[in-house]
Amino acid sequence: DAGITQSPRHKVTETGTPVTLRCHQTENHRYMYWYRQDPGHGLRLIHYSYGVKDTDKGEVSDGYSVSRSKTEDFLLTLESATSSQTSVYFCATRAGSYSYEQYFGPGTRLTVT
Amino acid sequence: SQQGEEDPQALSIQEGENATMNCSYKTSINNLQWYRQNSGRGLVHLILIRSNEREKHSGRLRVTLDTSKKSSSLLITASRAADTASYFCATDGLVSGGSNYKLTFGKGTLLTVNP
Repeated sequence: DAGITQSPRHKVTETGTPVTLRCHQTENHRYMYWYRQDPGHGLRLIHYSYGVKDTDKGEVSDGYSVSRSKTEDFLLTLESATSSQTSVYFCATRAGSYSYEQYFGPGTRLTVT
Repeated sequence: SQQGEEDPQALSIQEGENATMNCSYKTSINNLQWYRQNSGRGLVHLILIRSNEREKHSGRLRVTLDTSKKSSSLLITASRAADTASYFCATDGLVSGGSNYKLTFGKGTLLTVNP
């Protein structure tokens, strides 16, 4: 599992509240990714980071922001949660430019009521 | 939009049989990867095939890649009940207008291996 943890593992929150999910890695991997997984859609990239303080948008970034202030932590924030953001969120890492496989965390199940 | 699309969406076989899953994609790739996901768990990397390779083996896994047809297949030989999982192909290509690579996943094939 490449030393990836996600917290919390489960969260129920109300519409309109801010939510922050944390991904922590111990492998000193350069790249980190946030995906969401929904039935019928597979995994979709939300945001990714290619270094400390270097981030970019994925295909479904609206309503999400990220921050990476140190190598081991990548935070995903839902500024004002909506029911459409109910999903399972996965963090992944990749070692470096010439290591292409990704390593996934266990996921966070988020329910927005 | 999804880059890779797996076929079939679901496959049910008996233990000992072979399982074949297919993946089609649309644009040029650097490599193609297959991942497995057990229910309620994160994805686990299985195998990677580069765009200049045609076939690759790893244990009971065999992957082929046909870049002219933009398709790949994953063969699991002598399947076991423990192979029951969802299998995803993911294409690795350059982010549009950028210098970073990203994976684009298909929707997956749910494989059930019956004892």
